[in-house]
Amino acid sequence: EAEVAQSPRYKITEKSQAVAFWCDPISGHATLYWYRQILGQGPELLVQFQDESVVDDSQLPKDRFSAERLKGVDSTLKIQPAELGDSAMYLCASSTTSGRARETQYFGPGTRLLVL
Amino acid sequence: DQQVKQNSPSLSVQEGRISILNCDYTNSMFDYFLWYKKYPAEGPTFLISISSIKDKNEDGRFTVFLNKSAKHLSLHIVPSQPGDSAVYFCAARTGGFKTIFGAGTRLFVKA
Repeated sequence: EAEVAQSPRYKITEKSQAVAFWCDPISGHATLYWYRQILGQGPELLVQFQDESVVDDSQLPKDRFSAERLKGVDSTLKIQPAELGDSAMYLCASSTTSGRARETQYFGPGTRLLVL
Repeated sequence: DQQVKQNSPSLSVQEGRISILNCDYTNSMFDYFLWYKKYPAEGPTFLISISSIKDKNEDGRFTVFLNKSAKHLSLHIVPSQPGDSAVYFCAARTGGFKTIFGAGTRLFVKA
């Protein structure tokens, strides 16, 4: 069964350092999502791509976060500089299209970030 | 502003009994609702959904009920099994298809 791949699974960094997370969606899925899940809360959308274009990045802290999906396949989420409050689980999800309300999103295992 | 609320952080149920997980929402524009299940060290997986034009959807042991007038939905698991122990997220979508998640309820099913 096809899965969403993410790496690394765990990342420990010091504040002010740069970190990057990688996501490979299910083959053929045009829509890719990055979510942040803070402990005790539900996932919150950071950015949504349709192919290589950003559809929604309204909740992305653009002063320090950036995301790209250059060829419309895999994607990288970067934080520079990392802050203590960035400690969270970063989840990637994909779906075939964002054009239907009933579209199922398939999540990867996440990258757990700890900023010291 | 929490648009989707799961007020019970945890729930403990005996194996074989019914588990009822509750969710409240505030945005009347939500027209599609979902439940996701999450095991430790894994991402959430889709469990069941319901459109706002329905009041019930059933899939095997899982049934979701929607009460639009009360802005409330619930997930029933009957019978509960130890393998159902996980965190359950309620989620809702508007016509823009952005998914808003609740904080989750951790279910413990005791053998």
